[in-house]
Order: sequence, then structure tokens, then C-alpha cells
Amino acid sequence: GQNIDQPTEMTATEGAIVQINCTYQTSGFNGLFWYQQHAGEAPTFLSYNVLDGLEEKGRFSSFLSRSKGYSYLLLKELQMKDSASYLCAVRGNTDKLIFGTGTRLQVFP
Amino acid sequence: EPEVTQTPSHQVTQMGQEVILRCVPISNHLYFYWYRQILGQKVEFLVSFYNNEISEKSEIFDDQFSVERPDGSNFTLKIRSTKLEDSAMYFCASRGGGGYEQYFGPGTRLTVT
Repeated sequence: GQNIDQPTEMTATEGAIVQINCTYQTSGFNGLFWYQQHAGEAPTFLSYNVLDGLEEKGRFSSFLSRSKGYSYLLLKELQMKDSASYLCAVRGNTDKLIFGTGTRLQVFP
Repeated sequence: EPEVTQTPSHQVTQMGQEVILRCVPISNHLYFYWYRQILGQKVEFLVSFYNNEISEKSEIFDDQFSVERPDGSNFTLKIRSTKLEDSAMYFCASRGGGGYEQYFGPGTRLTVT
């Protein structure tokens, strides 16, 4: 079967760093994606990892370990506008994205 | 920056009625998708479309659903006879040939009463 696990909720303080973990078990693997979704809005693409290691893009970084079926999204210098859900999604054997349930991040002042 | 657009933003329909949800993907993209998200649940794949035919469909995408690319810009999802459980946010997405990231439209909130 296909399974993607993320914590349901996390909280953090403005200016801090937060790490959102994702573990996956899928039929095949051809990349892992992180999306940001504000309430009632569309998912917005943040990052893509297909090889092991860290990809950095501004305040956001994403890490992948294929042997462990594990990824994390690291958000630095948190801002209030970062309060959103963060969705982990895997591209398996086919072109579709398989999504986790998402992690709802609340940033407090 | 180019973006995926969807209309309408909100559609209310009665059970048993047909609805058509419309999408305009990013203009040079080749791969098109529909996903749905029931309130409070995860985003679920419905169908993918490439080269004017369905590439893959999920178990959700039964005979009540169909997709069409009637011209060079629009991509539509039709639900022939809506059920209460079809109430969800429907997202269209597209991607180009050079990368695997999918870009999502703002969604159509479908409410079936």
C-alpha cells in the first residue's frame, strides 16, 4: 500500500526554526514534494527532492533520505505568514502525487 | 507569473445534477490533473491527462466522472450525476515537460445539497 505520515500539528514562535518530518512507504519512488497550503487555498509548490541530501531555497530547506523513506522540511526565521498546512507528497511509479494528511503549523508572536 | 485558473470558485448544485468544473492550465504545460480535497482531509488524486487522453485514473474516478480538453486552453471535469459525497474542493493542476512539479489552481468548492 501507499502510506505517507506527517505530524498533524506543530506550533512555533516567530523568528524560530521548525522542522516538519515526513515518512513514506510507496510503490516506487520518483521524487518527494513539499507544498504549502493556506486554509481554503490551493497547494503552492515549495520544493522537490529526488536525490538524497539537502535542497536549500531561501528560508526553506528540504532533506531526503531514500534508504530511510524520510524527508523533512526546515523553515528558518519563521514569520506569521508561515502559519499554514505543509503537505508532503510522493511521486511513485506513476505521474500522480500521493499526499500525506498535512502538518498544520501555527506560528505565534 | 503564469498560473492555473479555475472557474467557478464556488458551485452549489442539487444531488443528481450534472456539473462541469473548468480549468485553464499554464499555457505551455502538457500534463493535466484533477485532485479533490474533502474538508479536513488530504488531497486525493482523481485523474491525469496527457496528449488528449487519460493517463491514469483513481478508484474515485468512476463512470460518473469524465474529463475533456475541448480546445487548446481549457480542461474540464464533468460529474454527471452528483452525490452528497462529491462535496469537496476540486483542484486542477498542470506541469510542463521539463520538470515534475505540479502547479495547482485556486480550486472550485463544490457543494452538493
